[in-house]
Amino acid sequence: DAKTTQPNSMESNEEEPVHLPCNHSTISGTDYIHWYRQLPSQGPEYVIHGLTSNVNNRMASLAIAEDRKSSTLILHRATLRDAAVYYCILRGNTPLVFGKGTRLSVIA
Amino acid sequence: EAQVTQNPRYLITVTGKKLTVTCSQNMNHEYMSWYRQDPGLGLRQIYYSMNVEVTDKGDVPEGYKVSRKEKRNFPLILESPSPNQTSLYFCASSRVGQDIQYFGAGTRLSVL
Repeated sequence: DAKTTQPNSMESNEEEPVHLPCNHSTISGTDYIHWYRQLPSQGPEYVIHGLTSNVNNRMASLAIAEDRKSSTLILHRATLRDAAVYYCILRGNTPLVFGKGTRLSVIA
Repeated sequence: EAQVTQNPRYLITVTGKKLTVTCSQNMNHEYMSWYRQDPGLGLRQIYYSMNVEVTDKGDVPEGYKVSRKEKRNFPLILESPSPNQTSLYFCASSRVGQDIQYFGAGTRLSVL
C-alpha cells in the first residue's frame, strides 16, 4: 500500500483556518485520497475525499497538488469541536490502512 | 439513519471465556471490517469481509474469528480471550471499492 506522511501534531487558535498537510509521493493513479478524523472517545468519521481536483464539503476542503504527491486538508474556521486526530489515507480497491495521523489541538 | 451498531459498548471478562462482539449495519454495505486500537499503535485491521461468506485476514488476525452469514452482520469472536486482547474495537462498513467507511462507536474490552 502507498504510504502517507503527516506531522504528529499541530496546534491552532479557535476561529482561525487550519491547514493539515499530507505527503504521499508513491500514490498510484487510481488511489483516492481520503481524510478521516477521530474525536476523543469516538470512532473515526469520514471528512472528505478526492482523486485529482480540489473538493469542498460542509466540513472541510481538500486541496490536491497537481502531481498528486501531496494534499492539504483545510478547516476554514477551527472550533474546539475540531480537536481530533486527523488521518490521511490512500485508498485503492483495498481496505483502509490507518497511519498515526495528526493530532490537532485547538486553543480557545 | 445510517448506522453501524456495535454491542456491547463495554465488556470486562476473564481469560479463556469465549465472547462475541456483534456488529450490524443498516446501509446494505458489502464491505465490513474490524479494527483494534491501542495506545501508540493506532488503528489496526483484524479481519474484513468483501461480501457474504467472504472474509479475509487483516494485519492482526491472531486470536480472532469472524463470520459473515448475512450482509448486515459481522460478529467478532474471541474463542479464548487473553489479556493482550484488551483493547478498543471498532467495526466499519462501506460499499466495496473506494467509498467512504462508516464506523461504529466502539467496544472497550478488558480481559483480566
